Amino acid sequence: GAVVSQHPSWVICKSGTSVKIECRSLDFQATTMFWYRQFPKQSLMLMATSNEGSKATYEQGVEKDKFLINHASLTLSTLTVTSAHPEDSSFYICSATVPASNQPQHFGDGTRLSIL
Amino acid sequence: RKEVEQDPGPFNVPEGATVAFNCTYSNSASQSFFWYRQDCRKEPKLLMSVYSSGNEDGRFTAQLNRASQYISLLIRDSKLSDSATYLCVVKYSGGYQKVTFGTGTKLQVIP
Repeated sequence: GAVVSQHPSWVICKSGTSVKIECRSLDFQATTMFWYRQFPKQSLMLMATSNEGSKATYEQGVEKDKFLINHASLTLSTLTVTSAHPEDSSFYICSATVPASNQPQHFGDGTRLSIL
Repeated sequence: RKEVEQDPGPFNVPEGATVAFNCTYSNSASQSFFWYRQDCRKEPKLLMSVYSSGNEDGRFTAQLNRASQYISLLIRDSKLSDSATYLCVVKYSGGYQKVTFGTGTKLQVIP
């Protein structure tokens, strides 16, 4: 079964809206979670690393004031796309490292964000 | 140079064909290697890990060449359901287990 839950799976909003995406670890504690973005026909690009109880680490070129990350508990990280515009439309996926797993990371189902 | 490079394809092959993908990585400190499969509009899912000695899982065979810094994936007897994008994933030693994804190779199996 799923070990990482992501919500919502699909969002359609008007330009200027802020959108919050949740990523939850199920049955395990995730001190670190990762947020990726994927544009059509492109690869997954790491946006930031979310650290429980401290500031997120953003990759070069990712605006931290635009993409707010909060990791307030060991099972929840949120990504808020502030004042979203059409160019922010993308597929956003979170992941976490599961202890004792043979996989490097387990992914949420992803959130497809469409800004009109 | 990208850390992990793959031929984006697409590879269009007939059912039953054998197809191989390569992936090169630039960081010699790379620790672990994986192949993920991603279907359109879905999250990536682990296909198989890649071991130095090579490993096989049914129709899929993965190989690692540390000296030349590349990994490969061989798919035999291709099925229509194999159509997807195959992502090469490299995990580096140390740190917080950050991984790097290749750009993916798209495979289309044709009836």
